[in-house]
Amino acid sequence: KNEVEQSPQNLTAQEGEFITINCSYSVGISALHWLQQHPGGGIVSLFMLSSGKKKHGRLIATINIQEKHSSLHITASHPRDSAVYICGIQGGSEKLVFGKGTKLTVNP
Amino acid sequence: GAGVSQSPRYKVAKRGQDVALRCDPISGHVSLFWYQQALGQGPEFLTYFQNEAQLDKSGLPSDRFFAERPEGSVSTLKIQRTQQEDSAVYLCASSSPLTQGAHNSPLHFGNGTRLTVT
Repeated sequence: KNEVEQSPQNLTAQEGEFITINCSYSVGISALHWLQQHPGGGIVSLFMLSSGKKKHGRLIATINIQEKHSSLHITASHPRDSAVYICGIQGGSEKLVFGKGTKLTVNP
Repeated sequence: GAGVSQSPRYKVAKRGQDVALRCDPISGHVSLFWYQQALGQGPEFLTYFQNEAQLDKSGLPSDRFFAERPEGSVSTLKIQRTQQEDSAVYLCASSSPLTQGAHNSPLHFGNGTRLTVT
């Protein structure tokens, strides 16, 4: 069993829709990261969080440590949000273990 | 430059060739990571340096893979006798602890080196 499970694997939405991507993990962590990877391959770090909720523009990330679960929300989605979103966890060291990613396609 | 720089961007190697992939982290970043990403998969951890010390190499798939960071800045990932299953994107990332003793800080990724072994 992978330490990090993401759902859904693929997600198609219409422009303007509210998007939720989920991440569940099975071990104790010190931090959880959300990354965005565009088709060209470049990866951007969106959030690093260890508790509660963070917001940046239309993106919101939440984490529930007790339930070992995090969600990434996108409000008012736009075609430029189309990308792969990857969840990663850190335990006692800086090493990050990643999920397989969720491919999001937002259609105009 | 301000970001993590990787070279070459693309590499095609014949099976059996040796390759060397370079990573220039953000200046001053203490931690450096190498990840391997197969098509349609998330990045898989290979190895991790703190300054010049290789603290974890548990993800290196075989003894054909070797990484070094001799002066605590630039790192090289070397793959000897490449095989077709080595074809992947190799990602480098760096980070710097926000405060002394902290070991969680945002990662900055390079654009990766796409290796194709024919």
